[in-house]
Amino acid sequence: RKEVEQDPGPFNVPEGATVAFNCTYSNSASQSFFWYRQDCRKEPKLLMSVYSSGNEDGRFTAQLNRASQYISLLIRDSKLSDSATYLCVVKGLRFGAGTRLTVKP
Amino acid sequence: GAVVSQHPSWVICKSGTSVKIECRSLDFQATTMFWYRQFPKQSLMLMATSNEGSKATYEQGVEKDKFLINHASLTLSTLTVTSAHPEDSSFYICSAGGADSFYGYTFGSGTRLTVV
Repeated sequence: RKEVEQDPGPFNVPEGATVAFNCTYSNSASQSFFWYRQDCRKEPKLLMSVYSSGNEDGRFTAQLNRASQYISLLIRDSKLSDSATYLCVVKGLRFGAGTRLTVKP
Repeated sequence: GAVVSQHPSWVICKSGTSVKIECRSLDFQATTMFWYRQFPKQSLMLMATSNEGSKATYEQGVEKDKFLINHASLTLSTLTVTSAHPEDSSFYICSAGGADSFYGYTFGSGTRLTVV
């Protein structure tokens, strides 16, 4: 079983759509969770940390379900600039493949 | 915030030569650094985990004699691609994480290696 699993997509959505990504992780003792964004030919950059109680940053909402060992990222009102690969990162575990999002006009 | 400097940003070399890539943590001490490789339209693949003062731990299928990793200080790790071949052409990225597990990983800006 992979340590972190994500649906690789691609997710193709129109501007303004709401899109959600899920990610599952293998280690129930994991403590630190993050979502990163990677643009084409660039390094991944931290989008947001994921807190136990869930957290929101503008159009982005992250949630953690420890019992089911999954993390989610919700993007509301998608913009063209949201097109990227989104990586679910659990500290101490190998990265998943990331989920590719394309937002179209 | 935490900054990781990686260079060179890109390099073109001839087959058979060696290339060294440096990864520095600028404002924090990185006890652990990671090296990844990413081929076009593929995901990041962990190559090795580098711990300061000890030998790197390589992922299965990564040749340790070909990809030499040195982590001599808490702020510097280097990856040397020895006897490079065209199939080694890829995007190499390092990342670092401090001892405090609260913080995520900070990535270097990557090195695009082209072997001709």
